[in-house]
Amino acid sequence: DTAVSQTPKYLVTQMGNDKSIKCEQNLGHDTMYWYKQDSKKFLKIMFSYNNKELIINETVPNRFSPKSPDKAHLNLHINSLELGDSAVYFCASSQGGLPESYEQYFGPGTRLTVT
Amino acid sequence: QQPVQSPQAVILREGEDAVINCSSSKALYSVHWYRQKHGEAPVFLMILLKGGEQKGHDKISASFNEKKQQSSLYLTASQLSYSGTYFCGTDSGAGSYQLTFGKGTKLSVIP
Repeated sequence: DTAVSQTPKYLVTQMGNDKSIKCEQNLGHDTMYWYKQDSKKFLKIMFSYNNKELIINETVPNRFSPKSPDKAHLNLHINSLELGDSAVYFCASSQGGLPESYEQYFGPGTRLTVT
Repeated sequence: QQPVQSPQAVILREGEDAVINCSSSKALYSVHWYRQKHGEAPVFLMILLKGGEQKGHDKISASFNEKKQQSSLYLTASQLSYSGTYFCGTDSGAGSYQLTFGKGTKLSVIP
């Protein structure tokens, strides 16, 4: 029944490693997003995908790359992890299309800790 | 550009009212409000569209002043369950799919 799910919930890793976070939505939405929430709770959009096309790419380091194998999945790959990457990463989805449909559903978040 | 929320934090007793403001220096197409409880994901509250009506949801309502590029969230007769951090997200263009969130307003409701 989970609308937007993420795995893993917690991720602890060392600097320099490469890691991935998976996201799946079963709402049939057209658009998916990745957000980063830092220790000050600032919620910043990183990427969004609409119908498998990247339509927003904020000024995030190119060590971060989203990959969408299909409309229901948007995974986040992070290369050469740095201490500053420690944060909670949220996946979200929305129907898109009409503005009234822009309600976003967030996943439970993945807490990434880089040591 | 990030919208500015005020106040940064507010403490209420149950039954009291509160107003959270969100303002932007850019023309806005829509304003979105979300609430995030500690350790949880943000949850959608409402969207206000340019030219649209004031929205309401139980005892939480919001308005959108397009000319002033401001939105306000009104919480009436607050309940303990209203505690959390409230974020406004602004959208500057139809179809942009891009929300820029403010830094949040932490609301604490005490008995």
